[in-house]
Amino acid sequence: ETGVTQTPRHLVMGMTNKKSLKCEQHLGHNAMYWYKQSAKKPLELMFVYNFKEQTENNSVPSRFSPECPNSSHLFLHLHTLQPEDSALYLCASSQGGSASSYNEQFFGPGTRLTVL
Amino acid sequence: AQSVTQPDIHITVSEGASLELRCNYSYGATPYLFWYVQSPGQGLQLLLKYFSGDTLVQGIKGFEAEFKRSQSSFNLRKPSVHWSDAAEYFCAVGPNFGNEKLTFGTGTRLTIIP
Repeated sequence: ETGVTQTPRHLVMGMTNKKSLKCEQHLGHNAMYWYKQSAKKPLELMFVYNFKEQTENNSVPSRFSPECPNSSHLFLHLHTLQPEDSALYLCASSQGGSASSYNEQFFGPGTRLTVL
Repeated sequence: AQSVTQPDIHITVSEGASLELRCNYSYGATPYLFWYVQSPGQGLQLLLKYFSGDTLVQGIKGFEAEFKRSQSSFNLRKPSVHWSDAAEYFCAVGPNFGNEKLTFGTGTRLTIIP
């Protein structure tokens, strides 16, 4: 596997279900991100992890719970979601580290989530 | 706060024709600027970026963009489009202290006709 992979690619869940999205990066990066992409809306940054520490939570509802066990893996745990949470969830990674330089973000293909 | 506007939701051009996609940003200082492309079913791929220096930047796949401070714009151009350029294009702005928190525009969907 190369780059950033995400599983599953598609997920349909009911409002009472609990599911998890998985992201894995094979680039040796130290920063990982979750984004939400909804139709006709800008890409929304949800969470940022740098060296496994959460450095950004963009006012995301608690029904979304991220987990970063190591620099290569990122999870998004989902529970009691709402239909308006249906979207494409994108994971990205970057070199991370120093705040004095910018590092390109590499994106995975996304998980298409539908909440019924 | 930083923001990005992409005024064109959908653009259709003929194969071989030139292309310009518009992007306007709002930021208190000189920002970091980016163009990403998203093909159907794929994640975003970086086309090019501007940090400083030469205001005309070259990217992959024959794309270029020009930073115009006076107009707060960072328009993407390509002299001759190919059918494979059909995709969604996103402009993004990041703060110039490099904390990698990007703000994206709503995107422009590009359709290529034969």
